[in-house]
Amino acid sequence: GQQVMQIPQYQHVQEGEDFTTYCNSSTTLSNIQWYKQRPGGHPVFLIQLVKSGEVKKQKRLTFQFGEAKKNSSLHITATQTTDVGTYFCAGSSNDYKLSFGAGTTVTVRA
Amino acid sequence: DTAVSQTPKYLVTQMGNDKSIKCEQNLGHDTMYWYKQDSKKFLKIMFSYNNKELIINETVPNRFSPKSPDKAHLNLHINSLELGDSAVYFCASSQSGSPREQFFGPGTRLTVL
Repeated sequence: GQQVMQIPQYQHVQEGEDFTTYCNSSTTLSNIQWYKQRPGGHPVFLIQLVKSGEVKKQKRLTFQFGEAKKNSSLHITATQTTDVGTYFCAGSSNDYKLSFGAGTTVTVRA
Repeated sequence: DTAVSQTPKYLVTQMGNDKSIKCEQNLGHDTMYWYKQDSKKFLKIMFSYNNKELIINETVPNRFSPKSPDKAHLNLHINSLELGDSAVYFCASSQSGSPREQFFGPGTRLTVL
């Protein structure tokens, strides 16, 4: 079945630095979504990418969908303490089911 | 108003017991889901209902039985609870059609002793 791999599992970042989390699928995806889960909270939708090569920005967050629609990345610039949490990618291949990556848990050193 | 609500928030019970978790959404969505999140934060889909019809049924022990009395509600009943069932269970909902943004409930932390 479809598998979505996400790396790194943990990211320890100095406040103000940039980092990237990567997502790879074993199959071509119809779309990919990104979610953020704060400690003790629930996943909250960030964005959905649909088109090959698509790039979307939300303030300091940049999301990319690969040309082959098998990979995606989330890049955060100038990390802040509010960025703490676990970021999940979730891919789908033309059905209702989202396959979630294992998540990247981000901690920030002030 | 809470968009997706779950009860209870915490559930502590003994092995072998039967328990239920309830979920309600007031977003007017047609599709609802149950996810299990283990201690390593891995999120795994368990079930999904669209307009009260079961559309996703992953490899889940048949001790788990979902029930959707109407589009706004999706409950999860678990029989003969085992230690390995300890996890956080999230309910979610979305509009119909190709995968849409999912709105998650606050979660139910189940601890089986």
